[in-house]
Amino acid sequence: DIQMTQSPSSLSASVGDRVTITCRAGQSISGYLSWFQQKPGKAPKLLIYAASNLQSGVPSRFSGSGSGTDFTLTISSLQPEDFATFYCLQTYSAPFTFGPGTKVDIK
Amino acid sequence: QVQLQQSGPGLVRPSQTLSLTCAISGDSVSSNSAAWNWIRQSPSRGLEWLGRTYYRSKWYTDYAPSVKSRITVNPDTSKNQFSLQLNSVTPEDTAVYYCARAVFGVVRDLMYNWFEVWGQGTLVTVSS
Repeated sequence: DIQMTQSPSSLSASVGDRVTITCRAGQSISGYLSWFQQKPGKAPKLLIYAASNLQSGVPSRFSGSGSGTDFTLTISSLQPEDFATFYCLQTYSAPFTFGPGTKVDIK
Repeated sequence: QVQLQQSGPGLVRPSQTLSLTCAISGDSVSSNSAAWNWIRQSPSRGLEWLGRTYYRSKWYTDYAPSVKSRITVNPDTSKNQFSLQLNSVTPEDTAVYYCARAVFGVVRDLMYNWFEVWGQGTLVTVSS
């Protein structure tokens, strides 16, 4: 299995802040990485696929970058509705594996 | 617009079989450009992909090694849905279970797949 790690595990930020979350794969996964946002009691919501492609309907303040083993999710200006937990997922090879999550809360 | 509707019991006795169904609207379980997945989430294990089924001239399945000996994911073309069966459950199988559609597409000349639609989730508790 390909192990996925994320950092930080949690962060506190203010509305308007620029936020960066990192995901690292245990081996090269090329660009086979997605990012999800999850709010309590809800299913994960796709934000980014293929490392840098914005899912339809997702605000442009979200962006993704990276390739190989290191990836980042950036929120350019944090909005009140963005406070949630964010996960990465590798779809390079089955079994697909998720990162442990990064919780973003209000400072 | 594709939607997935999950159904199944919220309580399963230890050693019994967990059975969930995911009904598809807006797409076909036999689609050649999608795969139909089951994922679960628990505080101890986080988000865990369990398995998938998909059709490419014939039916294929893939399973996570952690559950491979106990899991079956089956398509039901007559009802346009797919199902999860997990045998011999223990309290460690207590989790929120999700179904999800993964679509396949070409990005930068490579074939990718991404999990774009999810079911609403079902909390399944394994307890006597």
